[in-house]
Amino acid sequence: DAKTTQPPSMDCAEGRAANLPCNHSTISGNEYVYWYRQIHSQGPQYIIHGLKNNETNEMASLIITEDRKSSTLILPHATLRDTAVYYCIVRVSQGAQKLVFGQGTRLTINP
Amino acid sequence: ETGVTQSPTHLIKTRGQQVTLRCSSQSGHNTVSWYQQALGQGPQFIFQYYREEENGRGNFPPRFSGLQFPNYSSELNVNALELDDSALYLCASSLTSGSWNEQFFGPGTRLTVL
Repeated sequence: DAKTTQPPSMDCAEGRAANLPCNHSTISGNEYVYWYRQIHSQGPQYIIHGLKNNETNEMASLIITEDRKSSTLILPHATLRDTAVYYCIVRVSQGAQKLVFGQGTRLTINP
Repeated sequence: ETGVTQSPTHLIKTRGQQVTLRCSSQSGHNTVSWYQQALGQGPQFIFQYYREEENGRGNFPPRFSGLQFPNYSSELNVNALELDDSALYLCASSLTSGSWNEQFFGPGTRLTVL
């Protein structure tokens, strides 16, 4: 699985869009980009994943660059409950389902 | 709430002891994965069980072992505990069906080794 690089921490004002970047310059053609988050004292929670097209669900949007070497997770209207550590993970879709977590980005939403 | 439960919530053991952690997977899921999360780090994959067989293992020594039962619940056993085994242990359940499916994590068991 390709390695990812994320900023260790970010701040965002409540109600604004939170944009979390992730670099994955060694991503292979069959690898997907996944995002999970972990709220304090809870297990990680799946947010979204994508291959090359932009994706949107009820939680967030995922923007993947055309060369697929980086992506951005967007929380459109951040709330205090979005304060968490966000993990960007790159992996193939099929096969063993292990997730390789990095250090993630600690996102703090400020009132 | 993911429907994945873990017990106990917290546990304190001394070095050299053995511990068993338990996980009940979400209804309909046939795969359980275990992760170790040290303080300030991301979770690290220990192993995965699919239909009662080990189906992949991370870089953990043999004193970390597991079981999966016919109802797909699972146990993680750690022998000869070391201080560095202090961590949050997470299990995640999923349905293996050929393509990737979301992993649902439980709340974890906080193990402290003194």
